[in-house]
Amino acid sequence: AQKITQTQPGMFVQEKEAVTLDCTYDTSDQSYGLFWYKQPSSGEMIFLIYQGSYDEQNATEGRYSLNFQKARKSANLVISASQLGDSAMYFCAMREAQSNNNDMRFGAGTRLTVKP
Amino acid sequence: DTEVTQTPKHLVMGMTNKKSLKCEQHMGHRAMYWYKQKAKKPPELMFVYSYEKLSINESVPSRFSPECPNSSLLNLHLHALQPEDSALYLCASSQEWAGGSYEQYFGPGTRLTVT
Repeated sequence: AQKITQTQPGMFVQEKEAVTLDCTYDTSDQSYGLFWYKQPSSGEMIFLIYQGSYDEQNATEGRYSLNFQKARKSANLVISASQLGDSAMYFCAMREAQSNNNDMRFGAGTRLTVKP
Repeated sequence: DTEVTQTPKHLVMGMTNKKSLKCEQHMGHRAMYWYKQKAKKPPELMFVYSYEKLSINESVPSRFSPECPNSSLLNLHLHALQPEDSALYLCASSQEWAGGSYEQYFGPGTRLTVT
């Protein structure tokens, strides 16, 4: 069963504007972590931000913030003041405590294009 | 230092060749991973090593053989690959899962082409 769903294959945003990338997840575990990664065309996966299932506040890291709605099982990434260098593929991912291992499952990804 | 290095960056090999991909990290992480990523798809987990022991093998064909010589190194030995094995191979490392956050740090990947 698909555990991480990203429904936006592609998104466009004007430079300097904010954009929200959607992510919903499915788990019966109480303890889990949600992650966002950026993958430029060079291929490297760059860690952006983390949200723990027990965290009461939304995570923020510079221009990145995570809009965590636990009851809705959503963990949307908000990028403020978009820059041309933000154009990349973005993946949402989850790790569950009940899986008793270290694996991370990824969504299908959203390709973000920032327009000048 | 949050760097994971991978060599080579690019590899072209024939179906009868034997080659190895290498990955190294010096962050003291005790979990290391191999992922395969096809174009326009998310990474797919292949193997997980935890404290130098193989803890996950996601039903990967035996033509892929992982090895963890020590806590900093991870190899992926390739033999008799098929053209459909052409992909980006990503290595990652993280601290051990302990119910908290431990993000995975990825290397730049090896772009493999099987001819």
